[in-house]
Amino acid sequence: AQTVTQSQPEMSVQEAETVTLSCTYDTSESDYYLFWYKQPPSRQMILVIRQEAYKQQNATENRFSVNFQKAAKSFSLKISDSQLGDAAMYFCAYRRRSQGNLIFGKGTKLSVKP
Amino acid sequence: DGGITQSPKYLFRKEGQNVTLSCEQNLNHDAMYWYRQDPGQGLRLIYYSQIVNDFQKGDIAEGYSVSREKKESFPLTVTSAQKNPTAFYLCASSESPRTGGTNEQYFGPGTRLTVT
Repeated sequence: AQTVTQSQPEMSVQEAETVTLSCTYDTSESDYYLFWYKQPPSRQMILVIRQEAYKQQNATENRFSVNFQKAAKSFSLKISDSQLGDAAMYFCAYRRRSQGNLIFGKGTKLSVKP
Repeated sequence: DGGITQSPKYLFRKEGQNVTLSCEQNLNHDAMYWYRQDPGQGLRLIYYSQIVNDFQKGDIAEGYSVSREKKESFPLTVTSAQKNPTAFYLCASSESPRTGGTNEQYFGPGTRLTVT
């Protein structure tokens, strides 16, 4: 069975600094997708970034980028120039290409200090 | 405005009563999902449906039931058999994974269910 592990229950970053959130996963599949979702206090789940496993190039979305290490089964999220609005729970998620349902990690609570 | 709606935002029930949570989408998505979120647990899959009139159990389906009579609707019933029903429930939808592609999931705003 596939599993997703986020080893940092809480993280803190100073405004305008950079922070990296860790995620590892376990799968025997070769074709899958990885996602980072953000859940602010409103509890609305927002997709931050996605990565296709067959792509070697790391995905980037403005201030958000990932470090995808397929062999190590690692998928970390880097947030640059952190803003107060980045404070939220961040969830790493995995999906097999042939299935629609996501498998989530337990999340990392990110605090941003002014 | 396309999206997913869940109602109500907060729901209170007495123990022993069944309760149905609503989920509607106008994104024309084939697939729909129900997740449960507890503190420190992340999101766990309850049920999912890839097409109308078909649905599959997820990891924690015991004590829950669903129906998918229409493409845009996927209601979840929390039955009295669910031992610990108090939680935050999230509905999501996506294009069918059979079409290939990333098929990202779009989430509703959630329903907080409290059972006393």
